[in-house]
Amino acid sequence: AQRVTQPEKLLSVFKGAPVELKCNYSYSGSPELFWYVQYSRQRLQLLLRHISRESIKGFTADLNKGETSFHLKKPFAQEEDSAMYYCALGGTGRRALTFGSGTRLQVQP
Amino acid sequence: DARVTQTPRHKVTEMGQEVTMRCQPILGHNTVFWYRQTMMQGLELLAYFRNRAPLDDSGMPKDRFSAEMPDATLATLKIQPSEPRDSAVYFCASGLGRTGNTIYFGEGSWLTVV
Repeated sequence: AQRVTQPEKLLSVFKGAPVELKCNYSYSGSPELFWYVQYSRQRLQLLLRHISRESIKGFTADLNKGETSFHLKKPFAQEEDSAMYYCALGGTGRRALTFGSGTRLQVQP
Repeated sequence: DARVTQTPRHKVTEMGQEVTMRCQPILGHNTVFWYRQTMMQGLELLAYFRNRAPLDDSGMPKDRFSAEMPDATLATLKIQPSEPRDSAVYFCASGLGRTGNTIYFGEGSWLTVV
């Protein structure tokens, strides 16, 4: 079965502190993983995908197949990073993207 | 800047009424998704189309929900009759590719059923 777990509903940090949003997945094949971000009352936007190996807005995520994880990290949080973050697992065949339950990141001044 | 367009943005309706939500996918995209977002359940996949054919609607309550793609530029999600528990944000998303990965979301239709 295809499953994405985001164990934290809420993560609160101070501005300038490091951030790590956790994501674990279960999937029998070769996964494609994504992070989407949703700012208050807006659409979900693609933040990054693992195959691109890029850094967007200072965020990075590394796929760890041994630990089946794709944690999102940023060394220094900014207040504008406050949002809902969803980890998603790419489907194959007939499957659509499977989303985790989301983690709300709150960056305090 | 191509975007997925959804209408209506906001809808308040009475229980028992029919609700139709519309989505215009990004031109050229061949996969379309309907997701429902609630505080309790997060993002749930309701329906998934590829090349206008329904591939997965297992997450959709069949007795009251229906999803269609009359043509490549329009997807609809209908609830009849609506119930208060249907109150949620309904997102449409579209993508390009065989598996529909890297999908782009609309701004959502905020539905309140009273």
